Amino acid sequence: GAGVSQTPSNKVTEKGKYVELRCDPISGHTALYWYRQSLGQGPEFLIYFQGTGAADDSGLPNDRFFAVRPEGSVSTLKIQRTERGDSAVYLCASSLRARTSTDTQYFGPGTRLTVL
Amino acid sequence: GQQVMQIPQYQHVQEGEDFTTYCNSSTTLSNIQWYKQRPGGHPVFLIQLVKSGEVKKQKRLTFQFGEAKKNSSLHITATQTTDVGTYFCAGFIPPLVFGKGTRLSVIA
Repeated sequence: GAGVSQTPSNKVTEKGKYVELRCDPISGHTALYWYRQSLGQGPEFLIYFQGTGAADDSGLPNDRFFAVRPEGSVSTLKIQRTERGDSAVYLCASSLRARTSTDTQYFGPGTRLTVL
Repeated sequence: GQQVMQIPQYQHVQEGEDFTTYCNSSTTLSNIQWYKQRPGGHPVFLIQLVKSGEVKKQKRLTFQFGEAKKNSSLHITATQTTDVGTYFCAGFIPPLVFGKGTRLSVIA
């Protein structure tokens, strides 16, 4: 079946604007994760959903970042009042079950966000 | 905070040479996972180690998990140009905490 998909693949915006990034997980996967990857760094955890609820949002850097998953499938990461420091690749991953230590996460291709 | 440190940051090898990357955590891990990211690509899961002292092999790749479940290594024997990419370890705390990765380049 299809893997994790993310849209758009690239997003260029101006400082202060609002952006939405979309993630479509693998069909049937109940767990969904958002990560942010800056140049030369490993992915940094942002938020984890189990079904429709955000089970762990401890990685969100501040209240400008928000994510939803209203029907337990597609998720949207929302960034308000974007700053140049928000420029990064935003990765989404999904796994079959609840977040457990042994559940494999499958990553999408990412959205490259550039804030001018 | 919880950290996963990985060395070296870069490694350049001649094709056919061996390669090793090391991962160390400040805290005991439930498991350690390894990912490969090709240039311009996304992380792709390679393997997961769960048990203390565990060793797993995938063809030319050998993965080890330390006895204290705080460190791990990935060893590639006789590198090939197809091995080029960045190798990340990720420790499951939770959440999954990634190291900064080791970027491997292979000179033919």
